[in-house]
Amino acid sequence: EVQLVESGGGVVRPGGSLRLSCAASGFTFDDYGMSWVRQVPGKGLEWVSAINWNDVSRGYAGSVKGRFTISRDNAENSLFLQMNSLRAEDTALYYCARASYSGSYDYWGQGTLVTVSS
Amino acid sequence: QSVLTQPPSASGTPGQRVTISCSGSSSNIGSNPVNWYQQLPGTAPKLLIYSTTQRPSGVPDRFSGSKSGTSASLAISGLQSEDEADYFCGAWDDSLNGPVFGGGTKLTV
Repeated sequence: EVQLVESGGGVVRPGGSLRLSCAASGFTFDDYGMSWVRQVPGKGLEWVSAINWNDVSRGYAGSVKGRFTISRDNAENSLFLQMNSLRAEDTALYYCARASYSGSYDYWGQGTLVTVSS
Repeated sequence: QSVLTQPPSASGTPGQRVTISCSGSSSNIGSNPVNWYQQLPGTAPKLLIYSTTQRPSGVPDRFSGSKSGTSASLAISGLQSEDEADYFCGAWDDSLNGPVFGGGTKLTV
């Protein structure tokens, strides 16, 4: 069974940093690209960042470019998101999602909540 | 403000057929496949339709997807109470070089 479990969320002051983690199991992790997608509760989905299977390619939404860094550890079946210079508008539930070969996201974690507030 | 436009709400009675629209542009829906996600209350999104018309295993054939030009649609036939959820469309955007999503449609049964 495919499982994605996020952790690392919390409350942080504007300008602060957080590192999110996503532990993957139930599939061959290094066969798949992975992404972070966020959602303000009650609102729509917003793609944040993506990384391909062997970390050759990384992509970022314009709203986080230069502040967030995605990475992965295939030996540990883990995905990470380092978030620096956090802003109030980064407050959201952050999901880890597996990118299928069709380009859709076929599995999602339950999310970890990030709150940026003074 | 989401790149893809969906109606905020839709409704139907059990057994009815409802459709949810998703409007985009030539850089996303007009040139790439569309995916649909179902989000039940308090849960993570679940892939419902991929590559515009394909259903993952386990998704009932009551759910179907289509596309015409820069718009896509999700149809749900034989509506059931458990279909009450938020539905999101998504597609790759060639201009933004990343995936984009709709704002979601809350379906009430």
